[in-house]
Amino acid sequence: GAVVSQHPSWVICKSGTSVKIECRSLDFQATTMFWYRQFPKQSLMLMATSNEGSKATYEQGVEKDKFLINHASLTLSTLTVTSAHPEDSSFYICSARVAGQGYNEQFFGPGTRLTVL
Amino acid sequence: RKEVEQDPGPFNVPEGATVAFNCTYSNSASQSFFWYRQDCRKEPKLLMSVYSSGNEDGRFTAQLNRASQYISLLIRDSKLSDSATYLCVVNPTGGYNKLIFGAGTRLAVHP
Repeated sequence: GAVVSQHPSWVICKSGTSVKIECRSLDFQATTMFWYRQFPKQSLMLMATSNEGSKATYEQGVEKDKFLINHASLTLSTLTVTSAHPEDSSFYICSARVAGQGYNEQFFGPGTRLTVL
Repeated sequence: RKEVEQDPGPFNVPEGATVAFNCTYSNSASQSFFWYRQDCRKEPKLLMSVYSSGNEDGRFTAQLNRASQYISLLIRDSKLSDSATYLCVVNPTGGYNKLIFGAGTRLAVHP
């Protein structure tokens, strides 16, 4: 149980295009999903917290108009990187927290590797 | 100062060795602590939570020193399959389950 999927697993795009990444909780409901970014040899950095049915909370320094987050259901959150540039190339990972419980383990998706040419 | 600091390594050890990783955190009000394991190009996976009393899971022992804001992970009888990056993770108080990750310590176990 507690499986989180991401799609696509990797994507290559041209500079200036937009890329949408999906994060799904497959066998549980997730009121909260988190989006992280990881550059090579660096730690995972939280970008935003996505709450079902409400606006995402962005971390300091993360542009909300560039990284659009939609959490329309208890099993799906999407991250859209708008007008992607080479510096946005990174490993994007989502995680999901099981609904209705106190702090517990976050379950991570397998990640999406984005390369912007 | 980073919120969570780790020695990046790499630690190169032979099979069967005992290896210890350390981590410090800056927010003294932090309440929850974890060790995650991340394989190359994969997502992190929870290895174990860290409790004030210390806890053990098989070959792995985690300890927390709140006074020194220090967390450790001890791996005994290292296996080749233990080769990975070990991430020290902290949930700061009031962070609504927000996790702060260290940059990780890389372990390479060789035959």
